Parts: sequence; C-alpha cells; structure tokens
Amino acid sequence: GAVVSQHPSRVICKSGTSVKIECRSLDFQATTMFWYRQFPKQSLMLMATSNEGSKATYEQGVEKDKFLINHASLTLSTLTVTSAHPEDSSFYICSAERRGVGETQYFGPGTRLLVL
Amino acid sequence: KQEVTQIPAALSVPEGENLVLNCSFTDSAIYNLQWFRQDPGKGLTSLLLIQSSQREQTSGRLNASLDKSSGRSTLYIAASQPGDSATYLCAVRISGSARQLTFGSGTQLTVLP
Repeated sequence: GAVVSQHPSRVICKSGTSVKIECRSLDFQATTMFWYRQFPKQSLMLMATSNEGSKATYEQGVEKDKFLINHASLTLSTLTVTSAHPEDSSFYICSAERRGVGETQYFGPGTRLLVL
Repeated sequence: KQEVTQIPAALSVPEGENLVLNCSFTDSAIYNLQWFRQDPGKGLTSLLLIQSSQREQTSGRLNASLDKSSGRSTLYIAASQPGDSATYLCAVRISGSARQLTFGSGTQLTVLP
C-alpha cells in the first residue's frame, strides 16, 4: 500500500521560533500534497495544496507568509510554521495524492505542535 | 461551498450491536466520498471510498452507502467491537479540477465491552 510519513511526530517549541514539518511519500510519487490542521475535537481543515515544482495554493484565511510550504520533489513537501505563537498549536496532517492514481489521498500520521 | 455534516457527534453502544453513522453534504456534484477512521492523537486510516457512480462499498464488517441526489452517505458497522472505538470522519471530493477533500466534523464512537 501507499505510505506517507511525517516528521517530527511531536514538537514543542518556544513562541517566536520556526518549526519545519516534513511530509514524505515513501513508496510512490506524489505530484500533489495537501496540508491540513486539526484543532482538538474538531475536523480537518485544509490549509493549502502543494504541487511539486510550483507555488502552493492557500485556502482563504491561511497566511502564506506564516505557513511556508515547499514541495521540492515528488516525494517531499515541507510546512514551516514561522514565528510560531501559542495559537498555532495544533495537529498538522499531510496527505499525498498518488501520481497517475488521482482518486485517493494517502494521509500521514500527523504532527502535534505545541508552542509555549 | 461544500459543507459536510455528521450526525451524531458522539455515539456509545454495547459490544455486538450494529450501528449506522450518518454523513450529509450540501453539494451533490461530488467526485467521490470517503470514510476514515481516526484514533486519538493519530492520523487517518481510509476505510472505504465510494465513487460518485457507485451506491455502496463493503469491506468486512463495514458497509458504506451513497445517495448523491439526497446528499447522504451512511457507514454501517456490523457486530461492533471495542476495537472499533474511534472517531469516524467522512470526506467528499467535489467534481472538477479541485482535488481537496472537505471533511465532516466526525462521529466519536465508543463500543463498550
């Protein structure tokens, strides 16, 4: 099956620092990856769509300068939370769309971010 | 804008019961609908994917149905087990070039031993 990993799984940082989260498709190529965030007891909200080799498309209300997305290869997308604040604390989940098989997204295990 | 609603928000049943989770969506122009399971603090596990042309999908004790015209889907779980306890999310992908999923708020299921 298709496997998507995220690193780190958990991160605690001080307010004002930047945190990078990696999303990798381990056994397939992903032209498109998606970044979601999930607050406690709430559903997943799409933040941005990341296409390999091009700029990410952000959803309304998501600050592109705060949440930097880079999709440098067909197997890796990164989300950098810049100048993190406590309100950025959340569960971040990525998904990858398998190249040539566009119907299904495969989800990573998520990254728990806590900003102190 | 597509909106996805799941009812109930939480459900508690004794082991062995059959149960139904509901999902409704406002825009019937969907490409597919997917049911996921999420354990606390974990990512998503895909359970069933129903294409817009299909009416149901089955996997083991799970059966998902889709009625596009009425904007509804159900997830039927037969002979529930404590290990089925989790949050169940439905998500729809709209037709057209956009490929992102719109998620419901989930149903938190507890199966009591």
